[in-house]
Amino acid sequence: AQSVAQPEDQVNVAEGNPLTVKCTYSVSGNPYLFWYVQYPNRGLQFLLKYITGDNLVKGSYGFEAEFNKSQTSFHLKKPSALVSDSALYFCAVRGPNTDKLIFGTGTRLQVFP
Amino acid sequence: DGGITQSPKYLFRKEGQNVTLSCEQNLNHDAMYWYRQDPGQGLRLIYYSQIVNDFQKGDIAEGYSVSREKKESFPLTVTSAQKNPTAFYLCASSLQASYNEQFFGPGTRLTVL
Repeated sequence: AQSVAQPEDQVNVAEGNPLTVKCTYSVSGNPYLFWYVQYPNRGLQFLLKYITGDNLVKGSYGFEAEFNKSQTSFHLKKPSALVSDSALYFCAVRGPNTDKLIFGTGTRLQVFP
Repeated sequence: DGGITQSPKYLFRKEGQNVTLSCEQNLNHDAMYWYRQDPGQGLRLIYYSQIVNDFQKGDIAEGYSVSREKKESFPLTVTSAQKNPTAFYLCASSLQASYNEQFFGPGTRLTVL
C-alpha cells in the first residue's frame, strides 16, 4: 500500500533563513513524488516532481527537493525563505502503474519577517 | 489554477438536498479527479475518471455520484446520503500516465445549513 507522511504540522522560519519541509513515503516499486502548495481558500499549485534521474529536483519559486531512496524521503527545501512562502504544503506519492495519488496531511509553513 | 474551473465557489445546502458541483477543464486532459479536503486530513479521493463514460470510486465515494459524458466536464453530486458533506471540494485533471502532475481547480466550499 502507498502512504506518505509529513511529520510536522507546522514549520516556522525567519525570512531569509533556509527552510525544509519533510516528507517520507512508502510505495512498491519506484515512486513518483510531488510537492504542491496551497494558499488560503485556493486550489493546489504544483511545485515540482521527481520521476527518475538526478536526486535534486528544482521547481517553481526557488524551491527544490531532494530524493533519498535509502531514507525514503523527499524533503522540500529553499535556501532563503520569503514571507510570501507562508502557505500549506502537501507532499504526494504515486506508485508505477497505479491510478491514485496519495497526499500527506500537509505542513503549514509560517515565515516571519 | 490553470485551465480548470469550478463553480460555484461557495455553496450552501439544506439537509436532505442533493447538490451538484461543476468542474470543467480546457487542458485536453483525459483524467479527472474529485477530492475532499478537511482540516488536518489532507486530500481524500472521492471519484476519478480516466476516460469519457468511465469512472472509478476513490477512498470515500459513499454519498457521492459523478458522470463523465464529455472529456471537459466531470460534475460531482453530493447526495443526501452523505452525512457530513461540509468540506472544501477540489477537482483536478492530468494527462494519463502515473508520472504526470495533477492540475487543480480553485475549489468549492460546501456548507450544510
